[in-house]
Amino acid sequence: GEDVEQSLFLSVREGDSSVINCTYTDSSSTYLYWYKQEPGAGLQLLTYIFSNMDMKQDQRLTVLLNKKDKHLSLRIADTQTGDSAIYFCAEKQSKIIFGSGTRLSIRP
Amino acid sequence: KAGVTQTPRYLIKTRGQQVTLSCSPISGHRSVSWYQQTPGQGLQFLFEYFSETQRNKGNFPGRFSGRQFSNSRSEMNVSTLELGDSALYLCASSPRQATYEQYFGPGTRLTVT
Repeated sequence: GEDVEQSLFLSVREGDSSVINCTYTDSSSTYLYWYKQEPGAGLQLLTYIFSNMDMKQDQRLTVLLNKKDKHLSLRIADTQTGDSAIYFCAEKQSKIIFGSGTRLSIRP
Repeated sequence: KAGVTQTPRYLIKTRGQQVTLSCSPISGHRSVSWYQQTPGQGLQFLFEYFSETQRNKGNFPGRFSGRQFSNSRSEMNVSTLELGDSALYLCASSPRQATYEQYFGPGTRLTVT
């Protein structure tokens, strides 16, 4: 099938790390992405990883890819209130398939 | 550079009507993709246009159609609207076809009553 799966909710304390997980379906996917959607806004591409990589770091963001398990994760270090949003994982097959999104909430 | 713009931002229509949504990509971008976002189905790919040609299509009925103009602006049309068509319609522009580099507009919120 085409499902990309994510847990729906994650709550973390401000300053802690957030880890958002995703499982995808197609082992031949060439790109895997993380998008952020804030209320009332469109999607913002946060980062992407090529399928031949297993890790990518970009400032506070770290993406880990386990191709064997088809598992992708996004770690946000030092989570801030501005990180509150819905985070979508997506894979590129012939088209881009999105997960259902994980709503990240930050508690003080 | 200006971002992706979508018009209108909000729209209310009645069942059976038809609607046209517009998307202006980032200057220089030639690819435009459309997505439907609903609470129940999430984000689903509708179609991609590049150089005025539809290059890829999702699993939507023929009531959903689109086109792209020579200046890369794109429109999507939904005919014979159904209640289930209520959604946020997102447009994304890319400099090339089928690239990871997509930039999304703010969306058009369509409500069908």
